[in-house]
Amino acid sequence: QVQLQESGPGLVKPSETLSLTCAVSGYSISSGYYWGWIRQPPGKGLEWIGSIYHSGSTYYNPSLKSRITISVDTSKNQFSLKLSSVTAADTAVYYCARLTVTPPEYFQHWGQGTLVTVSS
Amino acid sequence: DIQMTQSPSSLSASVGDRVTITCRASQSIISYLNWYQQKPGKAPKLLIYAASSLQSGVPSRFSGSGSGTDFTLTISSLQPEDFATYYCQQSYSAPWTFGQGTKVEIK
Repeated sequence: QVQLQESGPGLVKPSETLSLTCAVSGYSISSGYYWGWIRQPPGKGLEWIGSIYHSGSTYYNPSLKSRITISVDTSKNQFSLKLSSVTAADTAVYYCARLTVTPPEYFQHWGQGTLVTVSS
Repeated sequence: DIQMTQSPSSLSASVGDRVTITCRASQSIISYLNWYQQKPGKAPKLLIYAASSLQSGVPSRFSGSGSGTDFTLTISSLQPEDFATYYCQQSYSAPWTFGQGTKVEIK
């Protein structure tokens, strides 16, 4: 059974870089699938951030593309998100998820989410 | 970006009621539409993919229909555990986008 677990600082200062990691268990990232990040500001809806394939190919939401880096570490069976120059608008619960590869892509398995607050 | 609009934004219903939630896309997304259920403090859970395919383990009272721009999620007989927020999501064209959500509350 696939399980995903987000980790990282819960508080980030404005203008700094948010860094999160998603540890995957029950499935080897190198075996396939896309792996992605989604966020949800408090009391609001869901926003897809970006996704990465096990090979390292990425695709990002254009609205965040200039500030995002998603990477994968198959040796540790985990993938990571870096979001630079954060502001209060980046305060959200951040989820990692596994997506299917063939269309229609859907978020099949989700982590529990981690709240990141941007504040000085 | 493809805009997804759900209606209603919220509804009140009783246990046993038939509930219908609508999702409209700003352009045709053929059948590339997925539905999720989210309970407070929890991650979303996949219910329906490809407009009408039931995810394994999801009760058969949930069903989805539609194609093109108009889609529907139906709960045939609302159960206590179904009170939650429901989101649609398109995967026809990146960036993947979600509807704003429909909150199903107890009447």
